[in-house]
Amino acid sequence: NAGVTQTPKFQVLKTGQSMTLQCAQDMNHEYMSWYRQDPGMGLRLIHYSVGAGITDQGEVPNGYNVSRSTTEDFPLRLLSAAPSQTSVYFCASSRLVGTENYGYTFGSGTRLTVV
Amino acid sequence: AQKVTQAQTEISVVEKEDVTLDCVYETRDTTYYLFWYKQPPSGELVFLIRRNSFDEQNEISGRYSWNFQKSTSSFNFTITASQVVDSAVYFCALSVEEYGNKLVFGAGTILRVKS
Repeated sequence: NAGVTQTPKFQVLKTGQSMTLQCAQDMNHEYMSWYRQDPGMGLRLIHYSVGAGITDQGEVPNGYNVSRSTTEDFPLRLLSAAPSQTSVYFCASSRLVGTENYGYTFGSGTRLTVV
Repeated sequence: AQKVTQAQTEISVVEKEDVTLDCVYETRDTTYYLFWYKQPPSGELVFLIRRNSFDEQNEISGRYSWNFQKSTSSFNFTITASQVVDSAVYFCALSVEEYGNKLVFGAGTILRVKS
């Protein structure tokens, strides 16, 4: 089982460039989310989705867009990269049974550097 | 609002010592879930445990044990007879029923186990 697959693993962008971080899961999980990890700050929620066609903002959404056209895929788009977006990005998915949280499965992360 | 505090930024121990990682959480919800994740130097996030707010039983899994105390809003994690392979960043996280499946993470504790 692949679980949650993130691509690419590493990326260097120039300021102002745009790119899409890919995330795919094969567990038929309804819930998917994107987090960024910065030193000393833990993981912070960027955007999340509770199913195909439904997305919402998390704690730090500015500068990022998401869409959820299928259950499997949840890409994260950086519209115009800024050095402040240098971070490690994690995609995660989980089952959604009412409001009970069964825990997340995380992807292996994307290390993004914006110069 | 929900908040998770891991006051210990970094802990260093010598192999075979016992070590406790502290986690204090804040929430007004009566139904919530607590998690611990491990992030080894390779960078992936590994699920360790999930606990709901109605189950205050302590749990032991091999050298790992967890102490959940609602009275002090704490969910501490103890590693007995630590090993070098336990060196990692450990995150405590909280999700609340009202907040759906969103996880709020603490800043993490870096554990270094020296041989």
